[in-house]
Amino acid sequence: GAVVSQHPSWVICKSGTSVKIECRSLDFQATTMFWYRQFPKQSLMLMATSNEGSKATYEQGVEKDKFLINHASLTLSTLTVTSAHPEDSSFYICSARVGGVEQFFGPGTRLTVL
Amino acid sequence: ELKVEQNPLFLSMQEGKNYTIYCNYSTTSDRLYWYRQDPGKSLESLFVLLSNGAVKQEGRLMASLDTKARLSTLHITAAVHDLSATYFCAVGRSGGGADGLTFGKGTHLIIQP
Repeated sequence: GAVVSQHPSWVICKSGTSVKIECRSLDFQATTMFWYRQFPKQSLMLMATSNEGSKATYEQGVEKDKFLINHASLTLSTLTVTSAHPEDSSFYICSARVGGVEQFFGPGTRLTVL
Repeated sequence: ELKVEQNPLFLSMQEGKNYTIYCNYSTTSDRLYWYRQDPGKSLESLFVLLSNGAVKQEGRLMASLDTKARLSTLHITAAVHDLSATYFCAVGRSGGGADGLTFGKGTHLIIQP
Protein backbone atom coordinates (compact mmCIF):
# COMPACT_ATOMS: atom_id res chain seq x y z
CA GLY A 1 0.00 0.00 0.00
CA ALA A 2 0.83 3.72 0.04
CA VAL A 3 2.06 3.92 -3.53
CA VAL A 4 2.67 7.29 -5.13
CA SER A 5 3.21 7.55 -8.87
CA GLN A 6 4.46 10.37 -11.05
CA HIS A 7 4.13 11.01 -14.73
CA PRO A 8 6.15 11.50 -16.77
CA SER A 9 9.29 9.99 -15.31
CA TRP A 10 11.41 12.20 -17.48
CA VAL A 11 10.79 15.02 -19.90
CA ILE A 12 12.89 17.15 -22.21
CA CYS A 13 11.47 20.42 -23.43
CA LYS A 14 12.52 23.59 -25.16
CA SER A 15 13.07 26.79 -23.28
CA GLY A 16 9.88 28.84 -23.01
CA THR A 17 7.47 25.92 -23.08
CA SER A 18 5.34 24.66 -20.19
CA VAL A 19 5.52 21.21 -18.68
CA LYS A 20 2.93 19.46 -16.52
CA ILE A 21 3.90 16.80 -14.00
CA GLU A 22 1.29 14.59 -12.38
CA CYS A 23 1.46 13.04 -8.93
CA ARG A 24 -1.05 10.35 -8.02
CA SER A 25 -1.77 8.40 -4.89
CA LEU A 26 -2.72 4.98 -6.20
CA ASP A 27 -4.21 3.19 -3.24
CA PHE A 28 -5.15 5.89 -0.78
CA GLN A 29 -6.60 9.35 -0.65
CA ALA A 30 -4.24 12.20 0.05
CA THR A 31 -5.63 15.49 1.23
CA THR A 32 -2.13 16.89 1.32
CA MET A 33 0.68 16.39 -1.14
CA PHE A 34 4.07 18.03 -1.24
CA TRP A 35 6.32 19.03 -4.11
CA TYR A 36 10.10 18.98 -3.77
CA ARG A 37 12.92 19.85 -6.11
CA GLN A 38 16.35 18.26 -6.09
CA PHE A 39 19.27 19.62 -8.08
CA PRO A 40 22.11 17.22 -8.97
CA LYS A 41 24.06 16.04 -5.95
CA GLN A 42 22.02 18.26 -3.65
CA SER A 43 19.31 17.72 -1.11
CA LEU A 44 15.57 18.00 -1.53
CA MET A 45 14.00 21.40 -1.13
CA LEU A 46 10.32 21.78 -0.36
CA MET A 47 8.63 23.91 -3.02
CA ALA A 48 5.00 23.88 -1.98
CA THR A 49 2.26 22.13 -0.11
CA SER A 50 -0.69 21.08 -2.21
CA ASN A 51 -4.07 20.86 -0.50
CA GLU A 52 -7.07 19.27 -2.14
CA GLY A 53 -9.67 21.86 -2.99
CA SER A 54 -7.67 24.89 -1.96
CA LYS A 55 -4.73 26.97 -3.06
CA ALA A 56 -1.24 25.63 -2.66
CA THR A 57 1.10 27.06 -0.07
CA TYR A 58 4.45 28.01 -1.53
CA GLU A 59 7.79 28.17 0.22
CA GLN A 60 9.66 31.41 0.36
CA GLY A 61 11.49 32.06 -2.88
CA VAL A 62 9.31 29.80 -5.01
CA GLU A 63 7.40 31.70 -7.69
CA LYS A 64 3.77 30.65 -7.55
CA ASP A 65 3.09 32.03 -11.03
CA LYS A 66 5.87 29.95 -12.47
CA PHE A 67 5.14 26.72 -10.63
CA LEU A 68 1.40 26.22 -10.84
CA ILE A 69 -0.04 23.58 -8.55
CA ASN A 70 -3.49 22.11 -8.81
CA HIS A 71 -4.90 19.50 -6.43
CA ALA A 72 -8.22 18.80 -8.06
CA SER A 73 -8.97 15.49 -6.39
CA LEU A 74 -7.91 13.42 -3.41
CA THR A 75 -5.64 11.32 -5.59
CA LEU A 76 -4.10 13.79 -8.02
CA SER A 77 -1.90 16.84 -7.76
CA THR A 78 -0.26 18.48 -10.74
CA LEU A 79 2.74 20.78 -11.01
CA THR A 80 3.05 22.89 -14.13
CA VAL A 81 6.35 24.57 -14.82
CA THR A 82 5.45 27.54 -16.98
CA SER A 83 7.84 29.13 -19.45
CA ALA A 84 10.55 26.71 -18.44
CA HIS A 85 14.19 27.76 -18.64
CA PRO A 86 17.40 25.72 -18.36
CA GLU A 87 17.77 26.70 -14.70
CA ASP A 88 14.49 24.89 -14.01
CA SER A 89 16.10 21.62 -15.02
CA SER A 90 15.90 19.45 -11.94
CA PHE A 91 14.47 16.32 -10.36
CA TYR A 92 10.94 17.02 -9.14
CA ILE A 93 9.57 14.68 -6.49
CA CYS A 94 6.15 14.65 -4.92
CA SER A 95 5.11 13.05 -1.68
CA ALA A 96 1.80 12.30 -0.06
CA ARG A 97 1.01 12.20 3.59
CA VAL A 98 -0.49 8.97 4.81
CA GLY A 99 -2.31 8.94 8.10
CA GLY A 100 -0.71 11.09 10.77
CA VAL A 101 2.93 11.46 9.90
CA GLU A 102 4.19 9.03 7.30
CA GLN A 103 5.15 10.49 3.95
CA PHE A 104 5.71 8.41 0.87
CA PHE A 105 7.54 9.73 -2.12
CA GLY A 106 6.85 9.32 -5.79
CA PRO A 107 9.53 8.06 -8.16
CA GLY A 108 10.36 11.56 -9.34
CA THR A 109 10.32 13.38 -12.67
CA ARG A 110 13.55 14.46 -14.29
CA LEU A 111 13.06 17.68 -16.22
CA THR A 112 15.63 18.88 -18.74
CA VAL A 113 15.06 22.23 -20.38
CA LEU A 114 17.12 22.87 -23.48
CA GLU B 1 13.87 28.82 10.46
CA LEU B 2 14.42 25.11 10.80
CA LYS B 3 17.87 23.93 9.81
CA VAL B 4 18.97 20.33 9.52
CA GLU B 5 22.63 19.40 9.49
CA GLN B 6 24.02 16.02 8.69
CA ASN B 7 27.52 14.77 9.09
CA PRO B 8 29.51 13.42 7.59
CA LEU B 9 28.42 14.40 4.08
CA PHE B 10 30.63 11.77 2.54
CA LEU B 11 31.69 8.47 4.02
CA SER B 12 33.75 5.69 2.53
CA MET B 13 34.03 2.58 4.61
CA GLN B 14 34.89 -1.05 4.34
CA GLU B 15 32.50 -3.93 4.56
CA GLY B 16 32.12 -5.29 8.03
CA LYS B 17 32.76 -2.00 9.78
CA ASN B 18 30.39 0.01 11.94
CA TYR B 19 29.66 3.69 11.58
CA THR B 20 27.21 6.38 12.62
CA ILE B 21 25.63 9.24 10.71
CA TYR B 22 24.53 12.23 12.75
CA CYS B 23 21.61 14.54 12.18
CA ASN B 24 21.18 17.76 14.17
CA TYR B 25 18.23 20.08 13.83
CA SER B 26 17.72 23.59 15.07
CA THR B 27 14.16 23.86 16.38
CA THR B 28 11.70 21.67 18.19
CA SER B 29 10.07 19.03 16.06
CA ASP B 30 7.94 15.99 16.70
CA ARG B 31 8.96 14.03 13.61
CA LEU B 32 12.31 12.82 12.36
CA TYR B 33 12.66 10.77 9.23
CA TRP B 34 15.45 8.80 7.63
CA TYR B 35 15.43 8.06 3.92
CA ARG B 36 17.66 6.23 1.51
CA GLN B 37 18.21 7.37 -2.07
CA ASP B 38 19.94 5.35 -4.76
CA PRO B 39 21.43 7.17 -7.78
CA GLY B 40 18.73 8.44 -10.12
CA LYS B 41 15.97 7.17 -7.87
CA SER B 42 13.49 8.64 -5.46
CA LEU B 43 13.43 8.23 -1.71
CA GLU B 44 12.88 5.03 0.21
CA SER B 45 11.51 5.46 3.70
CA LEU B 46 13.68 3.85 6.37
CA PHE B 47 12.48 5.13 9.74
CA VAL B 48 10.08 7.58 11.33
CA LEU B 49 10.95 8.61 14.87
CA LEU B 50 8.30 10.38 16.88
CA SER B 51 9.38 10.56 20.49
CA ASN B 52 12.37 11.20 22.67
CA GLY B 53 14.40 8.07 23.15
CA ALA B 54 12.80 6.31 20.20
CA VAL B 55 14.96 3.59 18.70
CA LYS B 56 14.12 1.62 15.60
CA GLN B 57 16.08 -1.11 13.88
CA GLU B 58 15.82 -2.76 10.51
CA GLY B 59 18.51 -5.20 9.53
CA ARG B 60 21.91 -3.54 9.83
CA LEU B 61 20.45 -0.07 10.33
CA MET B 62 19.39 1.42 13.62
CA ALA B 63 18.04 4.92 14.18
CA SER B 64 17.59 6.81 17.42
CA LEU B 65 16.21 10.15 18.47
CA ASP B 66 17.12 12.51 21.31
CA THR B 67 14.69 15.40 21.13
CA LYS B 68 16.34 17.26 23.99
CA ALA B 69 19.64 17.35 22.16
CA ARG B 70 17.83 17.70 18.82
CA LEU B 71 19.92 14.86 17.52
CA SER B 72 19.22 11.70 15.62
CA THR B 73 21.68 9.02 14.67
CA LEU B 74 21.67 6.33 12.01
CA HIS B 75 23.99 3.52 12.98
CA ILE B 76 25.25 1.01 10.48
CA THR B 77 26.40 -2.33 11.81
CA ALA B 78 28.72 -4.64 9.87
CA ALA B 79 28.23 -2.71 6.66
CA VAL B 80 27.68 -4.53 3.38
CA HIS B 81 28.09 -3.21 -0.15
CA ASP B 82 24.31 -3.12 -0.74
CA LEU B 83 24.01 -0.34 1.81
CA SER B 84 25.91 2.04 -0.46
CA ALA B 85 23.54 4.96 -1.11
CA THR B 86 22.82 8.50 -0.03
CA TYR B 87 21.05 8.79 3.31
CA PHE B 88 18.94 11.78 4.22
CA CYS B 89 17.44 12.80 7.50
CA ALA B 90 14.44 15.09 7.42
CA VAL B 91 12.48 16.92 10.05
CA GLY B 92 8.87 17.95 10.15
CA ARG B 93 8.37 21.61 10.89
CA SER B 94 5.29 21.55 13.01
CA GLY B 95 2.98 19.28 14.88
CA GLY B 96 0.38 17.07 13.27
CA GLY B 97 2.28 16.19 10.12
CA ALA B 98 0.70 19.00 8.18
CA ASP B 99 3.91 20.53 6.95
CA GLY B 100 6.45 19.37 4.45
CA LEU B 101 9.87 18.23 5.47
CA THR B 102 13.19 20.01 5.80
CA PHE B 103 16.02 17.79 4.66
CA GLY B 104 19.64 17.57 5.60
CA LYS B 105 22.21 17.68 2.82
CA GLY B 106 22.54 13.94 2.79
CA THR B 107 25.35 11.53 3.54
CA HIS B 108 26.85 9.84 0.51
CA LEU B 109 27.91 6.42 1.74
CA ILE B 110 30.23 4.15 -0.19
CA ILE B 111 30.95 0.72 1.18
CA GLN B 112 33.91 -1.00 -0.34
CA PRO B 113 34.48 -4.75 -0.36
